[in-house]
Amino acid sequence: DAGVIQSPRHEVTEMGQEVTLRCKPISGHDYLFWYRQTMMRGLELLIYFNNNVPIDDSGMPEDRFSAKMPNASFSTLKIQPSEPRDSAVYFCASSPSSGRGKTQYFGPGTRLLVL
Amino acid sequence: RKEVEQDPGPFNVPEGATVAFNCTYSNSASQSFFWYRQDCRKEPKLLMSVYSSGNEDGRFTAQLNRASQYISLLIRDSKLSDSATYLCVVRPYSGGGADGLTFGKGTHLIIQP
Repeated sequence: DAGVIQSPRHEVTEMGQEVTLRCKPISGHDYLFWYRQTMMRGLELLIYFNNNVPIDDSGMPEDRFSAKMPNASFSTLKIQPSEPRDSAVYFCASSPSSGRGKTQYFGPGTRLLVL
Repeated sequence: RKEVEQDPGPFNVPEGATVAFNCTYSNSASQSFFWYRQDCRKEPKLLMSVYSSGNEDGRFTAQLNRASQYISLLIRDSKLSDSATYLCVVRPYSGGGADGLTFGKGTHLIIQP
C-alpha cells in the first residue's frame, strides 16, 4: 500500500489567496484526520471524519477553514482567505475502525507558507 | 494546564546510554496512550502503544501510571538512529470510534557518537 498521500508537499502563497490541501487515505480505513503542526502549538487536531462524515470539527480555528470528504478515498482542507498565521505543516492521517489502538497513519504533510 | 506536557529537551545522550522521558496528561478519563516518533521534517510514526501493565519492545519500555497520570518511555543501549523527537500521545475515549489524538509537543533526543 502506498500509505497516506498528500498533495501538494509544499505550498507558498500570498495572504488572501485560497489554499486547498488534498489527502488520499489508506484504502479500507474508515477514519480520516486533519492535523496542523507549528513550533508554538505542536500538533493539533483540526477535524476528523468517519465514513466520510465529519465527526468533530471543534479544532478548526475559524470560518476561513473548511474540510470535505466527498468519498472514501479523498479529502480536502481549504483555507480561504489565507493569512500568514496559517503557515504550518498540515498532516492528514487515517486509521481503521478496528484493531488494537486503532493506529493512525500519517501522510508526509503539506508545508504551507503564507506570505 | 496543557493537556499533555513533556520536557522539550534537548536530551544529549552518548551512544549506548539509557535515557528516559516522562510526560503527564491532564484528562483523567483518558483511555489510550502512545509514543510516536517524529524525525526532522517527517511525519509522526507510531513507536509503541502504552499498556497499563507496562510493555516492552526490544530496547524500548513504556509504562503508564494512571494514579499520577504520567507515561514514561525508556530507551536502553541508545543508537545514533534513535535521534528524533518523541511525542507523547493520549486518546481520551475508548468508545467504538477512533477519535482524534492529543499530542504533547515532544521531547527532542540527540544521541552523540
